Amino acid sequence: GENVEQHPSTLSVQEGDSAVIKCTYSDSASNYFPWYKQELGKRPQLIIDIRSNVGEKKDQRIAVTLNKTAKHFSLHITETQPEDSAVYFCAAGGNAGNMLTFGGGTRLMVKP
Amino acid sequence: DVKVTQSSRYLVKRTGEKVFLECVQDMDHENMFWYRQDPGLGLRLIYFSYDVKMKEKGDIPEGYSVSREKKERFSLILESASTNQTSMYLCASRLGQGTQPQHFGDGTRLSIL
Repeated sequence: GENVEQHPSTLSVQEGDSAVIKCTYSDSASNYFPWYKQELGKRPQLIIDIRSNVGEKKDQRIAVTLNKTAKHFSLHITETQPEDSAVYFCAAGGNAGNMLTFGGGTRLMVKP
Repeated sequence: DVKVTQSSRYLVKRTGEKVFLECVQDMDHENMFWYRQDPGLGLRLIYFSYDVKMKEKGDIPEGYSVSREKKERFSLILESASTNQTSMYLCASRLGQGTQPQHFGDGTRLSIL
């Protein structure tokens, strides 16, 4: 089955700096890669996703890049703000198995 | 906006009890999922269902069962609760194929004493 590894497990940045979270996956058949943000005590919410026919996608301060050859994808947050502080999860899936496999999560702390 | 509702935010049960966690979605989604969330382990899939009365095992189905009698409702059952099932349980639903996003409920924090 699919295996997703996510790094780092914790990340602390100063407000205004950039943050990068990286994930690798094992199943070359995976073709859908969402990122979820989970604030303390709240549900995971989709912030951006990318499909395997695209190498990069951007939405305001958030971007995701995908390298299918190397089987890794990354989340980039620019000009970080304190409200970006949360746990971020990557996931891979979308193949015939119909499931998503999640990474272990990254706790991002943005210091004002 | 998709609404996924879990019946309880917090639940405390005793070892050996049969426990039911309920999840309802209001968007006529075919697919529904149950995950458990533990620190450092991310979200791990317990079971999912792609249609009424249909179910598939996820990565960690041992000790759990599910029921989907109606399209909007997906129940997770702990047949005989054990302390190692203390966790946060998240329900999700999805429309259509695997390249569509999943929408999560608020979660149920279950403690087994």
